[in-house]
Amino acid sequence: NAGVTQTPKFRVLKTGQSMTLLCAQDMNHEYMYWYRQDPGMGLRLIHYSVGEGTTAKGEVPDGYNVSRLKKQNFLLGLESAAPSQTSVYFCASSYSSGGLNTEAFFGQGTRLTVV
Amino acid sequence: AQSVTQLGSHVSVSEGALVLLRCNYSSSVPPYLFWYVQYPNQGLQLLLKYTSAATLVKGINGFEAEFKKSETSFHLTKPSAHMSDAAEYFCAVSGHNNNNDMRFGAGTRLTVKP
Repeated sequence: NAGVTQTPKFRVLKTGQSMTLLCAQDMNHEYMYWYRQDPGMGLRLIHYSVGEGTTAKGEVPDGYNVSRLKKQNFLLGLESAAPSQTSVYFCASSYSSGGLNTEAFFGQGTRLTVV
Repeated sequence: AQSVTQLGSHVSVSEGALVLLRCNYSSSVPPYLFWYVQYPNQGLQLLLKYTSAATLVKGINGFEAEFKKSETSFHLTKPSAHMSDAAEYFCAVSGHNNNNDMRFGAGTRLTVKP
């Protein structure tokens, strides 16, 4: 079972460059999330989606955009990368959000460095 | 909005010793609580979750956690640490409504000494 797959696993960007991170899940989950993980700060929610064609802002959305054109895919875009976006990015999915079925399944992460 | 606080960013124990990782929550109503584990260079995986069915929750790898409403706590324990338990552990809280309100703590890194 693939679960949640993120590509790429590593990337180095120059300041001002753009890139897209891809997340794919094969569990038919409605909810998908993008988090960033920084030392001492745990996971912070960037954007999330409650279903195909929907997106919403999380705690730290500035500088990122997302799209959910297909239920199984959730894309995270950086239009103009900044050093402050150096982080490890995790995608997750869940059957629902809130309640008994909130258990999130995570991808392996993408380590992004912006120089 | 609910939140969780993990006390201690680093915990070090000897192999065979008790593991205790602390998590306190803030919520106006009893929430759903989770513990996740992250091994080096991997994503998070669920250890256990509290869903109000029982206050003592048993998870994978011998871990368990007890929900204490009076103390607003959900501490994670394991009677005897193993070297393979070395990882980062995250407490998370979720509410009862369907509006994506899962919040993670800052994490506790567990080191196990031989």
